[in-house]
Amino acid sequence: GQQVMQIPQYQHVQEGEDFTTYCNSSTTLSNIQWYKQRPGGHPVFLIQLVKSGEVKKQKRLTFQFGEAKKNSSLHITATQTTDVGTYFCAGRGGATNKLIFGTGTLLAVQP
Amino acid sequence: DVKVTQSSRYLVKRTGEKVFLECVQDMDHENMFWYRQDPGLGLRLIYFSYDVKMKEKGDIPEGYSVSREKKERFSLILESASTNQTSMYLCASQGTGNQPQHFGDGTRLSIL
Repeated sequence: GQQVMQIPQYQHVQEGEDFTTYCNSSTTLSNIQWYKQRPGGHPVFLIQLVKSGEVKKQKRLTFQFGEAKKNSSLHITATQTTDVGTYFCAGRGGATNKLIFGTGTLLAVQP
Repeated sequence: DVKVTQSSRYLVKRTGEKVFLECVQDMDHENMFWYRQDPGLGLRLIYFSYDVKMKEKGDIPEGYSVSREKKERFSLILESASTNQTSMYLCASQGTGNQPQHFGDGTRLSIL
């Protein structure tokens, strides 16, 4: 069945360094969503990308959707301690058009 | 703002017990979902419902059942709890189309 993988599984950075997480789908996606889960919290929706090659920014966060609509990335510039948490991508596609969550990337930021 | 409320944050049950996890949303959403979250495995879909009394299996439905008698409420049932069902359970609701999912705070369930 459809799978969505994320790398890395875990990343530890010093505050101020950049961070990127990558999301890859086994099938073409109609759209992709990104969520953030703070420690002890629940996933919260960040953004949705729909178009091939689309790039969206939210302050220090940059989201990209690949040209083939099978991969996506989230880049954080100059990380802050408030960025800690697990970032999930979630792709919609395949025969069922269900939303499939990636495995998540846990970001730790050392002050 | 969407509110998804799960009945318990923490729950401890014994092997073989029947366990009910309740979820209520206040946005009149058609779609509701139950996931379990385990380290390194992300969010895995157990069951979902797109309308009252309708349900569909997700990726890992074995050992679980669900009930949706009212639009705002979606219940997850562990018919006979086993230790491998110890996990974080997350409920979510979603409006029509490609709208985002809204999650509850989760229930951390321990089966002893």
